[in-house]
Amino acid sequence: DAKTTQPPSMDCAEGRAANLPCNHSTISGNEYVYWYRQIHSQGPQYIIHGLKNNETNEMASLIITEDRKSSTLILPHATLRDTAVYYCIVRVDRRGTSYGKLTFGQGTILTVHP
Amino acid sequence: KAGVTQTPRYLIKTRGQQVTLSCSPISGHRSVSWYQQTPGQGLQFLFEYFSETQRNKGNFPGRFSGRQFSNSRSEMNVSTLELGDSALYLCASSSGTGLVTDTQYFGPGTRLTVL
Repeated sequence: DAKTTQPPSMDCAEGRAANLPCNHSTISGNEYVYWYRQIHSQGPQYIIHGLKNNETNEMASLIITEDRKSSTLILPHATLRDTAVYYCIVRVDRRGTSYGKLTFGQGTILTVHP
Repeated sequence: KAGVTQTPRYLIKTRGQQVTLSCSPISGHRSVSWYQQTPGQGLQFLFEYFSETQRNKGNFPGRFSGRQFSNSRSEMNVSTLELGDSALYLCASSSGTGLVTDTQYFGPGTRLTVL
């Protein structure tokens, strides 16, 4: 799976948009970008995923650059409850060797301030 | 739809003992994956079960084992506990197709402390 690089920490003011970047410069054509977040000592929560088109759901938007080497997760109106570790994961369809396996990096600690 | 449930939520054991953790997946999901999370190593994949068969395994010693029942519920067992086994143990469920778009959903975790 492609390696991802995320900043170790970011701050955001409550009510403002939080833009979390992820670099995945070695991504290949059949690899998807997934985002999860983990609020302190809870299980990771699925946020969104995408292949090459921008995606939006009720939680966030995912913007993937045209060359797919990087992406940005956008939380449009951050709240204090969005304070968490955000993980960017690249997944490839490689059944047999990666069944059920997600490879987590260190993620970005997002702190939302009042 | 109910989410992934894990029991117990907290557990304290002593070195040398064994422990069994339980995970009930989302209804209809047939795959259960287990992860260990520690401050030093982060989130690491233990193993995955689908239709009562282990399909994938991470790099953990044989003291870590698991099984899955016909109703897709899964248990993991750690024998001869060591201090380093203190961690948050997470399970995740998915449909099990193995497709890259088969999203995993995590439970709240079991916090194991080994004294």
